Amino acid sequence: EVQLVESGGGLVQPGRSLRLSCTTSGFSFGEYTMSWVRQAPGKGLEWVGFIRDKLSGGTTEYAASVKGRFFISGDDSKSIVYLQMNSLKIEDTAVYYCARRSTSSFYKYWGQGTLVTVSS
Amino acid sequence: YELTQPLSVSVAPGQTANITCGGDKIGYKSVHWYRQEPGQAPVLVIYRDRNRPSGIPERFSGSNSGNTATLTISGAQAGDEADYYCQVWDSSTEVFGGGTKLTVL
Repeated sequence: EVQLVESGGGLVQPGRSLRLSCTTSGFSFGEYTMSWVRQAPGKGLEWVGFIRDKLSGGTTEYAASVKGRFFISGDDSKSIVYLQMNSLKIEDTAVYYCARRSTSSFYKYWGQGTLVTVSS
Repeated sequence: YELTQPLSVSVAPGQTANITCGGDKIGYKSVHWYRQEPGQAPVLVIYRDRNRPSGIPERFSGSNSGNTATLTISGAQAGDEADYYCQVWDSSTEVFGGGTKLTVL
């Protein structure tokens, strides 16, 4: 059974950093592209970025709103994907989901989400 | 690339709801649809325009042509009330529509 479990959310001050983790199980981690998607309170879904599968080079892509501040990495030995968030802004407040991407770009598997609140 | 969805759609129980997703030449892209209930993670209901994952009722169907993709829910039930999002991949970016709140009344 595919499982994705996010952790690491919490309250953080503007300008500070936070690292989220997504622990995966039930599939071969390196064979899939993994995304982070966020949802601000009362708002819609916003793609944050992803890390491609190993066969595609493990490269990353990011939304313009986070490019240069957020970084995604993966640990194949632990089957964990990370989201390093730097220079956090109040508008980064959201529930952050990790999701497994299919080769056809849809997301069948999602984690339960972790809440990040950026506030002084 | 932008995807445009109506903020809300209302449907009477047992009737058909159509939720649209507009985008430039979206008919040339693969569109995926998600359902989300409050406090829950999104659930995939349609992928690649018209395919249903296992466990999704046949009442859910999709189409995509020209500048509009459509999610159709036939025989709407109270349990179908949720937010629905469309999604495409474009120019190295995942794009989600703004979401549509479906009300069954």
